This record gives sequence, structure tokens and C-alpha cells, in this order.
Amino acid sequence: DQQVKQNSPSLSVQEGRISILNCDYTNSMFDYFLWYKKYPAEGPTFLISISSIKDKNEDGRFTVFLNKSAKHLSLHIVPSQPGDSAVYFCAASANAGNMLTFGGGTRLMVKP
Amino acid sequence: NAGVTQTPKFRVLKTGQSMTLLCAQDMNHEYMYWYRQDPGMGLRLIHYSVGEGTTAKGEVPDGYNVSRLKKQNFLLGLESAAPSQTSVYFCASSWPSYEQYFGPGTRLTVT
Repeated sequence: DQQVKQNSPSLSVQEGRISILNCDYTNSMFDYFLWYKKYPAEGPTFLISISSIKDKNEDGRFTVFLNKSAKHLSLHIVPSQPGDSAVYFCAASANAGNMLTFGGGTRLMVKP
Repeated sequence: NAGVTQTPKFRVLKTGQSMTLLCAQDMNHEYMYWYRQDPGMGLRLIHYSVGEGTTAKGEVPDGYNVSRLKKQNFLLGLESAAPSQTSVYFCASSWPSYEQYFGPGTRLTVT
């Protein structure tokens, strides 16, 4: 039973437009959420995070939104660039612990 | 500052063979982790360590063993490899933040 789900395996977006990647979770004990980006043949790299006490966190072109009542978070990339093409994983942590539970990933393709 | 390094990068094993994957980090992190990544499954935690000399089971520990004899190193062993262990293996480290730093991965094929 996956506690963190990314229901869209892939997403294709035109350069300059907004990319929206979604993530749902089932464990109400999750209190910290992270997004990782992964290029082929490389390890995942941290992108942005959000604590459950917030509903939005912004870093440059990247914004993460958290809807606790819906147990849903999303990553917005504006404007999208071809270099953003990668696999994006959302991850969650419970009870201020350091263990992360990952979603299955969404492959983003940004077309020039 | 190399961050997290993994050796080897690629390996092909026959069923029943054994091998050890080495992970090293130079960030003085207390926590270290081993994950496997399979298509559509995301990253699943195999084993982790919260400090030198400690290890604990993660989500999918069967068929693997680990050791953390030194703070900077975390070893993952396969005693008798099976085709189901064909995967990409990632090591990560962290502390004190939630953010985990990942190595480049080891692609293992078991035939």
C-alpha cells in the first residue's frame, strides 16, 4: 500500500508554460514534504520542501503547495524550461523523523 | 567536497553470487540510507543507519545486509543474488536536516 502516490507517470509541457506536478498521501502523520529532481544516470537532488505548518513555499521558479485536508501537494514550475526535463519525486516524513517515503515519480518533458 | 560516492557504478552478477556495494560520504552526516529504485516504484528504503555501529531495517530488507563500521561508510551486501534484485541502488546521507543527499547510483543486473 503506497502511502505517497504520484498518479501521473509523465507530463509534457511547452517551454515557458507552467508545469504542475501532483502528489497525494494517505498517512496523516506526515508533517514534512520534499520534492526531488532526478536526471538520468544521476542520483536525486533536493529541490524544495514544505512543513505541514505552511501551505505554500516558494523558491525562484518553484513553488510547492500543501493542502492538508485533501492530503495533497503540488509542485509548480513557472516558467518551465527544457532543462527542467527530469523525473520528479515527492517524499514525505512523519513525526519529525528523518525517514522519507517516496512516491513513484513523474517524468516531466519540457518541449522547446 | 565529493559529497556521497558509490562504488561500483555498474555490476553484473550471476544468480547466487555475492557482492558488496560501498557508499562513502564526506559531509560528517550521522544518518545513512540504502534505497533501490525500480520502474514506477519510486525509491524504496532497504536499510538505514542512525550512526556509526548502528543499522536498522527499512521497507524492503530481505536478501540484503549492511554494516556501518565507520561514520563515513555504509556497506550494502548481497549474499546470494537473485534476479529480483536487479535494480538501481542509491545511497544517501543526512543530518540534521530532513534533506537527504544522494550518491550517483549503482546499476546492478542479476542474470
